[in-house]
Amino acid sequence: ETGVTQSPTHLIKTRGQQVTLRCSSQSGHNTVSWYQQALGQGPQFIFQYYREEENGRGNFPPRFSGLQFPNYSSELNVNALELDDSALYLCASSPVNNEQFFGPGTRLTVL
Amino acid sequence: AQTVTQSQPEMSVQEAETVTLSCTYDTSESNYYLFWYKQPPSRQMILVIRQEAYKQQNATENRFSVNFQKAAKSFSLKISDSQLGDTAMYFCAFMKRGGGAQKLVFGQGTRLTINP
Repeated sequence: ETGVTQSPTHLIKTRGQQVTLRCSSQSGHNTVSWYQQALGQGPQFIFQYYREEENGRGNFPPRFSGLQFPNYSSELNVNALELDDSALYLCASSPVNNEQFFGPGTRLTVL
Repeated sequence: AQTVTQSQPEMSVQEAETVTLSCTYDTSESNYYLFWYKQPPSRQMILVIRQEAYKQQNATENRFSVNFQKAAKSFSLKISDSQLGDTAMYFCAFMKRGGGAQKLVFGQGTRLTINP
């Protein structure tokens, strides 16, 4: 059974640019959640997708957006990047109402 | 809104010792899960142990056990016979059960170092 995978592992962008991060959920999991983890902090919930629909959102501005595809994989898009967007972005997949399994994360650096 | 507080930013013990990490939370919900996650330097968040709020019995997983005090809203993690591989950041997390987004609310983390 393949676990949660994320790509890319690292990337560097400059302020004002746009970025797309990708996540493949674990087999059989129809729910994907995205978290932002700033250095030295606990992860913060960005949003969750269930069956291709946004199922809840944390306190993040609209320039953070997402998609979930029919195969339950997901994308996180961030527009107009700011320096404070530098963080580890974690994706987690789960069956409904069950524990979340995390991917290895994407480290985003904004210069 | 739920909050999770971990009051110990760092802890350090010798190999084979027992260590307890503290966590308190605040919620008005009655039906929820509590978790401890481990994040080693590899960054992968790994589930250590899970507790369902309606269960009075404390969860255990091999060397890991919790002390769940629902009235006090306390959820501590005990690691027995600590090993070098236990060195990691440990996060306490809350998740409401039921409808709506199943989001995890994390504490700030405790950096645990196991010394040889």
